[in-house]
Amino acid sequence: NAGVMQNPRHLVRRRGQEARLRCSPMKGHSHVYWYRQLPEEGLKFMVYLQKENIIDESGMPKERFSAEFPKEGPSILRIQQVVRGDSAAYFCASSPYAALTSGNTIYFGEGSWLTVV
Amino acid sequence: QKEVEQNSGPLSVPEGAIASLNCTYSDRVSQSFFWYRQYSGKSPELIMSIYSNGDKEDGRFTAQLNKASQYVSLLIRDSQPSDSATYLCAVNQAGTALIFGKGTTLSVSS
Repeated sequence: NAGVMQNPRHLVRRRGQEARLRCSPMKGHSHVYWYRQLPEEGLKFMVYLQKENIIDESGMPKERFSAEFPKEGPSILRIQQVVRGDSAAYFCASSPYAALTSGNTIYFGEGSWLTVV
Repeated sequence: QKEVEQNSGPLSVPEGAIASLNCTYSDRVSQSFFWYRQYSGKSPELIMSIYSNGDKEDGRFTAQLNKASQYVSLLIRDSQPSDSATYLCAVNQAGTALIFGKGTTLSVSS
């Protein structure tokens, strides 16, 4: 049973370019979460999606960032016109249900490391 | 604004000792509590989850939850150098995403 798959694992973009990060949740999981981790910082929640719906985007920067989780295919985190401050590790996680109660938790992918030069 | 607070450390303990990691949270209606371990350059890995007041033991790990004090802790017995990592406390309410603390760095010396 494959885990949460993220790609690319490493991505280098020049300032002003677009970055697209992809996440395929674990089989049977319909809830996806994106987190960002800056160097020497903790995990910051960005967005929570269910198939075709954004449930909570309270952690997303208001500009340049967007996320989607279409009916078919992986979830995409898109960063337009990247700046050096966007350099970070972006982690995707998935869960089978919304309620993180006993027996249900979220599982993380290996992360995508974005470097903006 | 929901907050999860952890002492950033580093917490240094000798091999074989007990490491005690602490976490407080601000949202009183939080329901589920998790401890993750993260090695440098790697993704977080779930160690323990706890949902009820009291202690929960799993091998060398014990999680303790006190909802009245809004406090959750992780004890690691017989600490090993391989336990050296950053430990992340995470909290959530039903239907919301996990909110993480900044993590405590643990260093176990041999």
